[in-house]
Amino acid sequence: KAGVTQTPRYLIKTRGQQVTLSCSPISGHRSVSWYQQTPGQGLQFLFEYFSETQRNKGNFPGRFSGRQFSNSRSEMNVSTLELGDSALYLCASSGGTGVVTEAFFGQGTRLTVV
Amino acid sequence: AQSVTQPDIHITVSEGASLELRCNYSYGATPYLFWYVQSPGQGLQLLLKYFSGDTLVQGIKGFEAEFKRSQSSFNLRKPSVHWSDAAEYFCAVRSSGSARQLTFGSGTQLTVLP
Repeated sequence: KAGVTQTPRYLIKTRGQQVTLSCSPISGHRSVSWYQQTPGQGLQFLFEYFSETQRNKGNFPGRFSGRQFSNSRSEMNVSTLELGDSALYLCASSGGTGVVTEAFFGQGTRLTVV
Repeated sequence: AQSVTQPDIHITVSEGASLELRCNYSYGATPYLFWYVQSPGQGLQLLLKYFSGDTLVQGIKGFEAEFKRSQSSFNLRKPSVHWSDAAEYFCAVRSSGSARQLTFGSGTQLTVLP
């Protein structure tokens, strides 16, 4: 079974631009979550999507948004990039209809804002 | 709100020595607990999880963890460390509800001496 796939692996953007990151979950998984990892703040939850609906959202500004498609693939978008948005963005998928499931992470997208 | 504390930022052990990484959590009900490992520039790999039942759980790569409700702890152990275990280790907690948001500790960086 293929794992969680995130594209691209690396991105360099200029301050003020916008960026879209993509995540393909494990086949059959309907929940996709996004996390931001920085040296200063550690791993922070951005949002979770389940069956195309945002189920939970972390404490991030509205510049951070996401969506999920009918095939469970998810994208997150960051508009008006700031230098502080430089981070490793991780996507996690979890599956099954039960509550008790674990999350599997992708390799991440390393975003650098210059 | 749930929280996780990993008191040790950095631990150094010699190859072949035993290892214990500490994790304390704060959560009102029975939590779901996880340990993940991250190599440089990579995503997170699940080592083990606790949902319910036996408080001593076995994971991959020879790791185990013990859930102690009275101490709100979920410490990770390995009897004999290998050089390839050098990485950063994260403890995480998730609510027992339907939301799959993970709250992570700040991580423990493990260095293994030859």
